[in-house]
Amino acid sequence: GESVGLHLPTLSVQEGDNSIINCAYSNSASDYFIWYKQESGKGPQFIIDIRSNMDKRQGQRVTVLLNKTVKHLSLQIAATQPGDSAVYFCAERMATGRRALTFGSGTRLQVQP
Amino acid sequence: EPEVTQTPSHQVTQMGQEVILRCVPISNHLYFYWYRQILGQKVEFLVSFYNNEISEKSEIFDDQFSVERPDGSNFTLKIRSTKLEDSAMYFCASSPSYGYTFGSGTRLTVV
Repeated sequence: GESVGLHLPTLSVQEGDNSIINCAYSNSASDYFIWYKQESGKGPQFIIDIRSNMDKRQGQRVTVLLNKTVKHLSLQIAATQPGDSAVYFCAERMATGRRALTFGSGTRLQVQP
Repeated sequence: EPEVTQTPSHQVTQMGQEVILRCVPISNHLYFYWYRQILGQKVEFLVSFYNNEISEKSEIFDDQFSVERPDGSNFTLKIRSTKLEDSAMYFCASSPSYGYTFGSGTRLTVV
């Protein structure tokens, strides 16, 4: 699953800093959004999700913000750790009744110790 | 924590051969999916499966592809006659309703 060849935007942060990863989604009718983390050679790992009737949801060290007006999703990671280094994808589900997820291109997070 | 299990982790096959990729979804999940990720590209949806039938499929999922749930636990993806461009990571996923869990994938290499 390593994104060799795709020129991913990269966010480089120091250990302990907060990270913000952004995603612009495509469809105003999308009703459900998920952030995934993908480490090299592994499958997408669920981080946090949010439904379209919410604008914020918090998990452990992570917060997702949804701005439907501008079709923007963000993932905030507090106190970033070296183990957070990975590629992060947002995914949207395009309408109630459909099951397919559409994934974004991803952002590579590099955490410097 | 429950996992989606995929086998094999890596499959090499000759062009034109049939391959079957296997998945064991999480036992109480109702929806099953196959996605693929060509090296360096986005994860792409192939097909979703519910109540023993395909509920949705993408343009990628043409007549060369088929899915089956042969028993109560396995979920398979068959590619009838592989092409070079089928080389990718194939991910199985399952969900109850919300919250999709992905397996670790099968790397398919067509030579």
